[in-house]
Amino acid sequence: NAGVTQTPKFQVLKTGQSMTLQCAQDMNHNSMYWYRQDPGMGLRLIYYSASEGTTDKGEVPNGYNVSRLNKREFSLRLESAAPSQTSVYFCATTSSGDYNEQFFGPGTRLTVL
Amino acid sequence: SQKIEQNSEALNIQEGKTATLTCNYTNYSPAYLQWYRQDPGRGPVFLLLIRENEKEKRKERLKVTFDTTLKQSLFHITASQPADSATYLCALRKVGGSQGNLIFGKGTKLSVKP
Repeated sequence: NAGVTQTPKFQVLKTGQSMTLQCAQDMNHNSMYWYRQDPGMGLRLIYYSASEGTTDKGEVPNGYNVSRLNKREFSLRLESAAPSQTSVYFCATTSSGDYNEQFFGPGTRLTVL
Repeated sequence: SQKIEQNSEALNIQEGKTATLTCNYTNYSPAYLQWYRQDPGRGPVFLLLIRENEKEKRKERLKVTFDTTLKQSLFHITASQPADSATYLCALRKVGGSQGNLIFGKGTKLSVKP
């Protein structure tokens, strides 16, 4: 089992370009998350999806959109990238229940010039 | 305002000693608190969870305590090894918060010297 996979691993964009970060999990989990991690800021939640067909904003959703394509896949889209979106992006999943750990993907390192 | 703080950005210790990392929170009522390990260039990996009604949890060389009066969790690694060098993150879920949603601290980078 691959667990949580993310593509691409690295990406460089110019300001104003768009792109989609892909996340897939084979753990049969209901909940999926997108975080960004910046030096000195820690992990911050962008969007999450508690189940297939639902999405909700997290702490820092501005400039992003998400799609929960099916139970396995949760994508994050930057419509018009800005230098402030330079970051490392992590996807995570967790199963249903009150006390469950989150399983993280390997991350996507995005640079916006 | 609500905060979760890990007091040290970095902690350097000698191999064999006990490393103690601190996580404090304000204006939250956590349902539970979790600790994660993150290696450079990798995603965080879950280590331990402690519930609001638990005082202490152990797993091999790891021990976590939770004091809801002090609003603090301590994470201990006994007999530390250079392989324990990593960044350690604490995370809490608010009582009444959306299921699975965690608030993360900024992390403490632990370096264990041989």
